[in-house]
This record gives sequence, C-alpha cells and structure tokens, in this order.
Amino acid sequence: GAVVSQHPSWVICKSGTSVKIECRSLDFQATTMFWYRQFPKQSLMLMATSNEGSKATYEQGVEKDKFLINHASLTLSTLTVTSAHPEDSSFYICSARRTALKPTDTQYFGPGTRLTVL
Amino acid sequence: AQKITQTQPGMFVQEKEAVTLDCTYDTSDPSYGLFWYKQPSSGEMIFLIYQGSYDQQNATEGRYSLNFQKARKSANLVISASQLGDSAMYFCAMSGYTDKLIFGTGTRLQVFP
Repeated sequence: GAVVSQHPSWVICKSGTSVKIECRSLDFQATTMFWYRQFPKQSLMLMATSNEGSKATYEQGVEKDKFLINHASLTLSTLTVTSAHPEDSSFYICSARRTALKPTDTQYFGPGTRLTVL
Repeated sequence: AQKITQTQPGMFVQEKEAVTLDCTYDTSDPSYGLFWYKQPSSGEMIFLIYQGSYDQQNATEGRYSLNFQKARKSANLVISASQLGDSAMYFCAMSGYTDKLIFGTGTRLQVFP
C-alpha cells in the first residue's frame, strides 16, 4: 500500500509554455499533498502544501501565480508551471499523506517529474 | 525552527558490512517524527523507517534500524549487511506540529564489492 504516482515522469517544453504535472495517491486517500522541487545534488525544497478542497499554502519565495496547484479530490493534486522558463527546469516531486490528524504521519512520495525548459 | 543536519556528504561501505548514517535534529516541538528516505539515481524517494519522539524503542524495518538518542537529538540510520543495491542518497527528515517535512542535505552511500 501507500503508492503515489506522478505523470509525466519527464517533460521537455519550450520557453513560455505551461506544463501540468499530476500526482495521484493510488491506494489511499490523501487530504494533504505536498510539492517539492529538487535541484541536482541538492535536497528537497518544499514549494507548497496542497489541501483537498482549499487553496494551497505556498512557501516563502514561491510564486503562487507561476506554480498553480489544484487539489480537486482526495487522490489527485496537480501542479501547473505557467509560462515556463529555463530556470524552472528541475526535478519536481510530490508526496501524499494519508488522511489523518497527525502531521507526523509518513509522507509517501511519487517517482518525480523531470522538467526541462528549452 | 526545525533543522536537520547530516554531516556526512558521502560514505563508503563494503558489501555485507554495516554502516551508520548520521543525523542530528533541532526542534522545539514536544511531539515530532523522524524519517529516513532513500533516493536512488532514478530519483524516487523511498520511505525506509519512522521514529516517533515518544516511542520508547528504536524503530527497525528489516535491515534498517534507527538509533534514536533523544537527549542528544540524534536519529542515526543503521544499515546492516549492506548490499550493492543500497548505493543511493539517504535523507533524514523530520516533521512536527506543522505539516512540513524538513530534510537534511543528504548522504551519498556507495557500497563496493
């Protein structure tokens, strides 16, 4: 159990276009999903927390108009990188936490999406 | 503020030997969770083990055990009988009252024959 999928696994796009990344919890319901960004040889940096049925909470320095997050159901969250530029090229990885009250419950991660903007 | 520190950027271990990956943390939350994740070259983050701050016993999951020393604020990962497939980045992380999972900088483990 606790499988999280992401789609696509990699994407190459032209500068100025928008890219949507999906994150799904396959065998459990996730009230909360998280979006991270990871640059090469660095750790994961939390971008935003996505709660089902409400607006996402963005970390300081993350542009909410550029990184649109939608958490429409208990099993799906999407991240849309709008008007992508080469500096947005990165590894984007989502995680999901089972519907629970404890923030210390385990987050399960998707396999990640490698975005390359030309 | 919460902080995770991993002081070993890289570690080498021979196959079948045990290895300890260090992790220290800092938090003012009375209740928190400590996690270890493995990230192979494919990029996925694989959950390995969890330790709750109020757990009396050290967590174990197969070949993985977490050496939890609360007074020292350390949560070291011990991998017994290393295998070549254990070569990867290992991240220590913690969460507290907030939803956020705070990661350390990671340790790259190389297992050699």
